[in-house]
Amino acid sequence: AQSVAQPEDQVNVAEGNPLTVKCTYSVSGNPYLFWYVQYPNRGLQFLLKYITGDNLVKGSYGFEAEFNKSQTSFHLKKPSALVSDSALYFCAVRSMDSNYQLIWGAGTKLIIKP
Amino acid sequence: SQTIHQWPATLVQPVGSPLSLECTVEGTSNPNLYWYRQAAGRGLQLLFYSVGIGQISSEVPQNLSASRPQDRQFILSSKKLLLSDSGFYLCASGRRDSGNGYTFGSGTRLTVV
Repeated sequence: AQSVAQPEDQVNVAEGNPLTVKCTYSVSGNPYLFWYVQYPNRGLQFLLKYITGDNLVKGSYGFEAEFNKSQTSFHLKKPSALVSDSALYFCAVRSMDSNYQLIWGAGTKLIIKP
Repeated sequence: SQTIHQWPATLVQPVGSPLSLECTVEGTSNPNLYWYRQAAGRGLQLLFYSVGIGQISSEVPQNLSASRPQDRQFILSSKKLLLSDSGFYLCASGRRDSGNGYTFGSGTRLTVV
């Protein structure tokens, strides 16, 4: 079965410290992986994606993610957190069916404390 | 690039009243379209998706229905709202032949009272 897991409901980080938001996936074949961010009462915004190539993907707002095939993980990272990074983060993987749907993780609330 | 227009932004409706939420897409043609509901600022629940005009797939049996009368128009409806229909509704668009993800609308906060 195809699935995405975000094992942490909430991640708390002090401003200026590095942050990691975890994501693991289960899908047959080569995965297309995505990270989105959602601010309160807003739609989801695209951060970055991995399709092929370099395992370290750079995205918007200084975020990056590392694809690890052996661990089936795609963790989101940032070297130095900002208070404005506080938001809800979603990981997704593209399904392998013909309708090209994204399978979503449950979301991780990131709280950056000043 | 794609733009999703979704309205209204907020809506307060009494129990038993009808509902119509509209979503329109600009900047692409023949997209896949999706309606999601999000409760309490957490996970996304896929309600309906459409791969073309008049083609609707329902993911969750419920009090809601969806229609796609035009290629870039997706409507979420209810004949009689329930309290449990309250939530944040998101419309999204995606291309089947693309490695890109989805583009989301700004959402509608529905409160049923």
